Amino acid sequence: EAQVTQNPRYLITVTGKKLTVTCSQNMNHEYMSWYRQDPGLGLRQIYYSMNVEVTDKGDVPEGYKVSRKEKRNFPLILESPSPNQTSLYFCATRFTTGAPDTQYFGPGTRLTVL
Amino acid sequence: GENVEQHPSTLSVQEGDSAVIKCTYSDSASNYFPWYKQELGKRPQLIIDIRSNVGEKKDQRIAVTLNKTAKHFSLHITETQPEDSAVYFCARSGQTGANNLFFGTGTRLTVIP
Repeated sequence: EAQVTQNPRYLITVTGKKLTVTCSQNMNHEYMSWYRQDPGLGLRQIYYSMNVEVTDKGDVPEGYKVSRKEKRNFPLILESPSPNQTSLYFCATRFTTGAPDTQYFGPGTRLTVL
Repeated sequence: GENVEQHPSTLSVQEGDSAVIKCTYSDSASNYFPWYKQELGKRPQLIIDIRSNVGEKKDQRIAVTLNKTAKHFSLHITETQPEDSAVYFCARSGQTGANNLFFGTGTRLTVIP
């Protein structure tokens, strides 16, 4: 079954404690991206990756890191989380060539930073 | 600018009526405009999209229109049903095309049976 998975789905942590949210896809998509969703602000892009070892900043990259060492995985790293990073996070993936531009979203990770 | 303005923020319609959601943008380089539907507690899902070389696209009860000159695009849902109730997001592409999307703030649509 084609899918995008995220782990964990829910996380409560404290300020400054490093955390990683994983995203994995089995659709052989080149492109992967991270968004955060906040009430009244919609979805905002954090980082995206066109392929292995290629990453670019989105609209709101401050306070986040990403890596793309394998095609199927695109972890989001918060080195020192702060309360303003409390949000709902979505990973999304799609093909980059020869296919529609449809982005497939993961189930979301709800993060609370105390 | 990067913002996409989306209106209205909430919309209630009677079942069977039509619903229209409008988005405006300012970056003339945008050439891809998707619409996503997000049901409560679920992930966003693409429902329709349009490229700038097309003025209108239709898929059953859903249609999108694009006016590149005026820099606005709209989602039209006809014969609304209760299962259409959700939050709808418009988006536009950035300088790198569909790799970089800027979303509107969402419209909560409620279809009253």
